[in-house]
Amino acid sequence: AQSVTQPDIHITVSEGASLELRCNYSYGATPYLFWYVQSPGQGLQLLLKYFSGDTLVQGIKGFEAEFKRSQSSFNLRKPSVHWSDAAEYFCAVGAYTGTASKLTFGTGTRLQVTL
Amino acid sequence: GAVVSQHPSRVICKSGTSVKIECRSLDFQATTMFWYRQFPKQSLMLMATSNEGSKATYEQGVEKDKFLINHASLTLSTLTVTSAHPEDSSFYICSAISGRVYEQYFGPGTRLTVT
Repeated sequence: AQSVTQPDIHITVSEGASLELRCNYSYGATPYLFWYVQSPGQGLQLLLKYFSGDTLVQGIKGFEAEFKRSQSSFNLRKPSVHWSDAAEYFCAVGAYTGTASKLTFGTGTRLQVTL
Repeated sequence: GAVVSQHPSRVICKSGTSVKIECRSLDFQATTMFWYRQFPKQSLMLMATSNEGSKATYEQGVEKDKFLINHASLTLSTLTVTSAHPEDSSFYICSAISGRVYEQYFGPGTRLTVT
């Protein structure tokens, strides 16, 4: 079965500083990987996704992520964080079960941005 | 495009009553919808997968008689929490698939409080 580990529960960065959120996955085949962001009391918004091809993927709001198969990682990065980026970030791996796809989420990383 | 709505956004009900949550795909036909549950400051846990016109597939440990799911059309799935108890209080989020089976679009969530 697939699994996702987000080792950092809570990260605090200063506005304008760079950001990297870690994500490691376990999956027996080629993974389909996603990063979602959730603001308090809200649903999930897709930041970016990796299906195949270029291992560096660009997303919305200036985020990018790099798929590294050798490290089973899909870390999320942003060169300069804005105060509005404060939220919960979830990494997820998708698996096709034959009848439908399923997403397995990590436990999330809460990002706090200080001014 | 690919907008998913949920109704209601918040609901408070008394213990022992039932409550229905609707999930709608507004601008696409969703052959598959998913229902997740999220406890405070925790990740999303998949409850069930709902395919239009067929019975839902529940994840292990989810009581199908308590959480009734109906996917009557290509744009609507409903989750009914029957005989609700305070421990059912949670944030319920639905998602839907459009086209590419690995990309789920999420609704804004429904906050259920059982008193």
